[in-house]
Amino acid sequence: NAGVTQTPKFRILKIGQSMTLQCTQDMNHNYMYWYRQDPGMGLKLIYYSVGAGITDKGEVPNGYNVSRSTTEDFPLRLELAAPSQTSVYFCASSYTDEAFFGQGTRLTVV
Amino acid sequence: DQQVKQNSPSLSVQEGRISILNCDYTNSMFDYFLWYKKYPAEGPTFLISISSIKDKNEDGRFTVFLNKSAKHLSLHIVPSQPGDSAVYFCAAIRYRRNDYKLSFGAGTTVTVRA
Repeated sequence: NAGVTQTPKFRILKIGQSMTLQCTQDMNHNYMYWYRQDPGMGLKLIYYSVGAGITDKGEVPNGYNVSRSTTEDFPLRLELAAPSQTSVYFCASSYTDEAFFGQGTRLTVV
Repeated sequence: DQQVKQNSPSLSVQEGRISILNCDYTNSMFDYFLWYKKYPAEGPTFLISISSIKDKNEDGRFTVFLNKSAKHLSLHIVPSQPGDSAVYFCAAIRYRRNDYKLSFGAGTTVTVRA
């Protein structure tokens, strides 16, 4: 019953540091997504993938990178953390319409 | 450019009464709509959906209505229960184009009063 698992749950980064947010799903979904949620805002799509080896930009990709080497994993990389990247990050996966979300990673950049 | 809009940031309703959440969209290519529910410190969970070929879909206490000509949908919760207190997100996709990327509204926080 794992579904979509994200790690870590919380992280504080200093400006300029880098990190990788991990996401794995066990439902054999082809589609995977990374969203960020800022206070009072909906979820904004950062990057998505329609299958292993295929990724594409969403609405707000600047400052992020992704890879999809397997069906299960879809890590999100922040190379040079900036205060504007302080947010809650959600990974999701889907077969088609109904997406399943992880519990989120709360990231603070100071 | 926000293509899905939820103009009411919050809603307070008494337990047992009806909650009505509204959502508008601007992109006429959207043909499938979903509602997600989110509790604090958790990820969103799917609640109910509707295809553009329907105007109503019901699942227990939850009913979603779609008015395509007005580009408007609403979620009705009857009767409202304390456990319904959460943030509700409206979302849309372009199902027939196999484009399953969700476009979300900003969310409506529902508080059910005892």
